[in-house]
Amino acid sequence: KQEVTQIPAALSVPEGENLVLNCSFTDSAIYNLQWFRQDPGKGLTSLLLIQSSQREQTSGRLNASLDKSSGRSTLYIAASQPGDSATYLCAVRGDSSYKLIFGSGTRLLVRP
Amino acid sequence: EAQVTQNPRYLITVTGKKLTVTCSQNMNHEYMSWYRQDPGLGLRQIYYSMNVEVTDKGDVPEGYKVSRKEKRNFPLILESPSPNQTSLYFCASSLIRQGKREQFFGPGTRLTVL
Repeated sequence: KQEVTQIPAALSVPEGENLVLNCSFTDSAIYNLQWFRQDPGKGLTSLLLIQSSQREQTSGRLNASLDKSSGRSTLYIAASQPGDSATYLCAVRGDSSYKLIFGSGTRLLVRP
Repeated sequence: EAQVTQNPRYLITVTGKKLTVTCSQNMNHEYMSWYRQDPGLGLRQIYYSMNVEVTDKGDVPEGYKVSRKEKRNFPLILESPSPNQTSLYFCASSLIRQGKREQFFGPGTRLTVL
């Protein structure tokens, strides 16, 4: 059974710092991995999607990497801003299912 | 604008009063799904649909029903809501046949059952 873990659960950094959020999964037979952002009480915004055959994806200040064999993904945020404060969720989709298995999230606070 | 919409966004109801949460997508996606999000439990799948008239249970289907009569709509029905169904609900959709199959989520429906 696929399990997704995100570390750390919470992170507080000063503005301008580069930071890394971690996601690990137990079953390497995945189709893709998505990183989402969730603001308090709000919906999920898709940030990046990495196909199983890819190693990384970039969007602006965000870079996500995937190491399928070791069951790990990282989300790198460059030059963090207070507006980046949110909960970041990673989710994996298995090869034979369209269901997303979510991690519990990392709650990020970027201090001005 | 490509999007997934849900209605209502907020709902307070009482135990046993039937309700329906609507979900609609305008991206011609085959796959649609409902999740619930609870503190400490994360997001869990309730039901999903691979296409019109094709639905199946997710991980936590008890107390819920769904239907898929049209490709764009996937309503979630609570026939007799109970307090343990108080949660934040998300509808999602994606392509099946082609493309990255990225899942897009609606804005969420916060349901409180008294």
